[in-house]
Amino acid sequence: AQTVTQSQPEMSVQEAETVTLSCTYDTSESDYYLFWYKQPPSRQMILVIRQEAYKQQNATENRFSVNFQKAAKSFSLKISDSQLGDAAMYFCAYRSAMNYGGSQGNLIFGKGTKLSVKP
Amino acid sequence: SQTIHQWPATLVQPVGSPLSLECTVEGTSNPNLYWYRQAAGRGLQLLFYSVGIGQISSEVPQNLSASRPQDRQFILSSKKLLLSDSGFYLCAWSFTGGNGYTFGSGTRLTVV
Repeated sequence: AQTVTQSQPEMSVQEAETVTLSCTYDTSESDYYLFWYKQPPSRQMILVIRQEAYKQQNATENRFSVNFQKAAKSFSLKISDSQLGDAAMYFCAYRSAMNYGGSQGNLIFGKGTKLSVKP
Repeated sequence: SQTIHQWPATLVQPVGSPLSLECTVEGTSNPNLYWYRQAAGRGLQLLFYSVGIGQISSEVPQNLSASRPQDRQFILSSKKLLLSDSGFYLCAWSFTGGNGYTFGSGTRLTVV
């Protein structure tokens, strides 16, 4: 079974600085998708970024980018020019490409990293 | 565009009372639907998922049940709430494939 590990329960960054959140995963599959979700204090889950495993190019969404290392099974999130509104829980998630309605297609979440942004 | 509605936003219920949380999706057909629970400051626990009307899969044995009476409606229920049922409940939908889930705004349930 696939697993997702976020080894940093909490992280802190100074406003306008850059921070990287770590995520590793374990799978025997070659085709899958990876995601980062943000959960601010409102607790609404917001999709930040998505990566397709068969694409070597790292995904980027404005100030958010990933470092996807398929061989190392690593998927870190870099937040540049951190803003106070970036303070939130961040969840890394894995989804098998072989999802045809069974449980193998469900998103598998890490336990999350709580990011604090200092003014 | 697709939207997901979840209600109520907050709920305080006494121990032993019944529960019904509702989630509906608009703007799509035959979505996969999910119920998650999240304890304070903790990760997400998948409770139930459904790939079609009347099709419910349970991930964790518990005091809760789920039903999908219509294509875009997903209901989380309990006949008798326990203190341990307190938490934040999230509904989500997705399609089969490479997209992530879209989440509702959640229900904060406190059992007293």
